[in-house]
Amino acid sequence: EIVLTQSPGSLSLSPGESATLSCRASRSLSNIYLAWYQQKPGQTPRLLIYGASSRATGIPDRFSGSGSETDFTLTISRLEPEDFAVYYCQQFGSSAYTFGQGTKLEIK
Amino acid sequence: QVHLVQSGAEVKRPGASVKISCKVSGYRLAEISMQWVRQAPGEGLEWMGGLHPENGKIVYAQKLQGRVTMTEDTSTDTAYMEVTSLTSEDTAFYYCVIGTYFFDPWGQGTLVTVSS
Repeated sequence: EIVLTQSPGSLSLSPGESATLSCRASRSLSNIYLAWYQQKPGQTPRLLIYGASSRATGIPDRFSGSGSETDFTLTISRLEPEDFAVYYCQQFGSSAYTFGQGTKLEIK
Repeated sequence: QVHLVQSGAEVKRPGASVKISCKVSGYRLAEISMQWVRQAPGEGLEWMGGLHPENGKIVYAQKLQGRVTMTEDTSTDTAYMEVTSLTSEDTAFYYCVIGTYFFDPWGQGTLVTVSS
């Protein structure tokens, strides 16, 4: 099973700043198998990025994904108040899906 | 547009079983790969199993092998997920979600509480 490790565990920033969230895989994976989700309290997760860098329908362009092999990044530029949430990366490999443990983005 | 509607909340005793349904609309169940994900209160997301996007076989997470069964009724476009031998560690929100290499859209979630 591929393990995904997200860092940092939590991040405190102010609206207008940029956030950089990391997701590291225990072994190399194809970009098409890496996705990012946002989850707000009491809500279901929402797909943000798939294929490591493609934005899902309706996702603002301040959200961007990058990376390859074992290191992937979600960047949120110009943070809006509604962006403060928990973010998860997810991969598919060896016939199983795994999620990272999440990064909590908090308002400073 | 695909829409998933799950059955309602359940409260179960330890050792019991629970079966959750997920009704698909806007698409035929036979044409999609259904996955199941759960989330314990305050915890992260855990994939439970689902239809392999490349070979069409049902695959279960190793941790849940032997306790979880996923079935589909294509005549009603409804997917089911049953978990047996419940313990307090199975208390969680359970989600059906359409997944190939990523998960979208998600059902609204079903809260299963295991308590004596």
